[in-house]
Amino acid sequence: DSGVTQTPKHLITATGQRVTLRCSPRSGDLSVYWYQQSLDQGLQFLIQYYNGEERAKGNILERFSAQQFPDLHSELNLSSLELGDSALYFCASSVEGGGAVSEQFFGPGTRLTVL
Amino acid sequence: LAKTTQPISMDSYEGQEVNITCSHNNIATNDYITWYQQFPSQGPRFIIQGYKTKVTNEVASLFIPADRKSSTLSLPRVSLSDTAVYYCLVGERALYSGGGADGLTFGKGTHLIIQP
Repeated sequence: DSGVTQTPKHLITATGQRVTLRCSPRSGDLSVYWYQQSLDQGLQFLIQYYNGEERAKGNILERFSAQQFPDLHSELNLSSLELGDSALYFCASSVEGGGAVSEQFFGPGTRLTVL
Repeated sequence: LAKTTQPISMDSYEGQEVNITCSHNNIATNDYITWYQQFPSQGPRFIIQGYKTKVTNEVASLFIPADRKSSTLSLPRVSLSDTAVYYCLVGERALYSGGGADGLTFGKGTHLIIQP
């Protein structure tokens, strides 16, 4: 158990819909990262927040958005869902916001299926 | 921009030492090298990190030559439970907004299969 929690564990929805994935970082961690993992693309970095502010942005679509709240939990919003958005979405956290240098602790993931 | 290249897959047998090499020809002065392990349907787990020469912990060793253009993750005496995907990351410490995204490229990693 990494200490990072993600909800829901599974999510099945239809194309065109909007969903919100939630992540609670480890106690004391200030930085949150979001990743998307699909069979054909591997593990893709989406976005990073550090203490409430966006720190780095990766391959995140315009239909996707995220935020980190004052209590440091984070939400990833996915809208106008397409079949290709079906994937495993991971959240990770780290004490500092050092990106690739910081040891990241990953949550169990949310499996999103778009029908 | 430091990109990494790893073998797509490897296999070995229980009890053997396994070495996985990652190429990063464009590594920058401030870049560190980090390896993660991922089991199916789980999030990746940090294994080891280094900057130069050799780093060892209770799980693995990381060898980095002087030119730092490659690195080798060494797993001693592997077991079936070491079957997983291994990712090599190269990047610098992101101290400011907008920096560091390039180093967070996990890609597809190396699928290591350990056989009995």
